[in-house]
Amino acid sequence: DQQVKQNSPSLSVQEGRISILNCDYTNSMFDYFLWYKKYPAEGPTFLISISSIKDKNEDGRFTVFLNKSAKHLSLHIVPSQPGDSAVYFCAASAATFTSGTYKYIFGTGTRLKVLA
Amino acid sequence: DTEVTQTPKHLVMGMTNKKSLKCEQHMGHRAMYWYKQKAKKPPELMFVYSYEKLSINESVPSRFSPECPNSSLLNLHLHALQPEDSALYLCASSQSSRLGNTIYFGEGSWLTVV
Repeated sequence: DQQVKQNSPSLSVQEGRISILNCDYTNSMFDYFLWYKKYPAEGPTFLISISSIKDKNEDGRFTVFLNKSAKHLSLHIVPSQPGDSAVYFCAASAATFTSGTYKYIFGTGTRLKVLA
Repeated sequence: DTEVTQTPKHLVMGMTNKKSLKCEQHMGHRAMYWYKQKAKKPPELMFVYSYEKLSINESVPSRFSPECPNSSLLNLHLHALQPEDSALYLCASSQSSRLGNTIYFGEGSWLTVV
């Protein structure tokens, strides 16, 4: 049961254009969302986050949009650069009922390739 | 400085061996995590420690045994593993395990069970 899904396994974009990565979730209890970038043989690197009380958060070239009613979030990268080529994971968190500890569930990932 | 250090980077072990993965952070974070990642799959949560106490165990087999000796260190003891346990093991930490905390990952330990 995949609670966080990234339906596009891969995406290719020209350098300088916008990259849009999408993420859908099923659990309405998720209330904090993060995006990570992962290069091969490295751990995921945090990019940007958004709380469920917001619908947009921006940090430099990265903007995350959240549509709670659609249970959908997206990451926009503008302008895209060749160094952005990596696998991107979205992650969602919700408190567990037993301990109140927040756990993070990761999406399936999208491989972005930015073409020079 | 967001740094989580994992050792060893690569480990090959037999099915009868006992080994340990180690993780260290000096950011004053009070929550630490173990994730497992197989090829072309997302990271899967294994354990969460909050203030040195085990808070979440995602029904992980007992051949994986976590330990949190202090707030900076997290170990994963491995015993009688199976070849299907071969994966990238990621340690992460966050300021706390409450809402709105970003988790920061180490580079991972590549485990091969032969």
